[in-house]
Amino acid sequence: EAQVTQNPRYLITVTGKKLTVTCSQNMNHEYMSWYRQDPGLGLRQIYYSMNVEVTDKGDVPEGYKVSRKEKRNFPLILESPSPNQTSLYFCASSPGQGLELFFGSGTQLSVL
Amino acid sequence: DQQVKQNSPSLSVQEGRISILNCDYTNSMFDYFLWYKKYPAEGPTFLISISSIKDKNEDGRFTVFLNKSAKHLSLHIVPSQPGDSAVYFCAAIGTGGYQKVTFGTGTKLQVIP
Repeated sequence: EAQVTQNPRYLITVTGKKLTVTCSQNMNHEYMSWYRQDPGLGLRQIYYSMNVEVTDKGDVPEGYKVSRKEKRNFPLILESPSPNQTSLYFCASSPGQGLELFFGSGTQLSVL
Repeated sequence: DQQVKQNSPSLSVQEGRISILNCDYTNSMFDYFLWYKKYPAEGPTFLISISSIKDKNEDGRFTVFLNKSAKHLSLHIVPSQPGDSAVYFCAAIGTGGYQKVTFGTGTKLQVIP
């Protein structure tokens, strides 16, 4: 089954404790990206990757890092999480320009 | 600055009637628009898209209209069904690449049986 898999689904952590949210897709998509969803703000793009070893900032990249060492994986790293990063996070992939994004099921992160 | 706006946070419609969801944008460089539907506890799923060179695209019960002069697009659902109850996001992609996708804030649609 074609899918984007995120882990974990739920995560509670404390300020400053490094964490990684994993994302994997099995559709051989070149493009992958991360979004956060906050009430009243919709979905905002954090980072995106056009291909292996090619990443760039979205609209809200501060406090986040990503890597794309393999085509299928695109982890989101929070080196020192803060409470304002409490949010619902989505990973997505796409086969190419103008084509739809395929989203994972989301990761609800709470930073205390 | 919100480049893609959905000014109605919520909408209630009777089953069988038409649902019209609206989206306004400010960046004339957007050249591709998409609608996504999101159920609770799930990721958004693609619904329908339209290129800026068109003014209408239809897929079954769903039709998207684009008015470039007004920088406005709308999603029509006819007839509305209870299973359509979800949050709908419009999204826009700019010229020069599809890297940056800008989403609206979403409209929660409730279809009343």
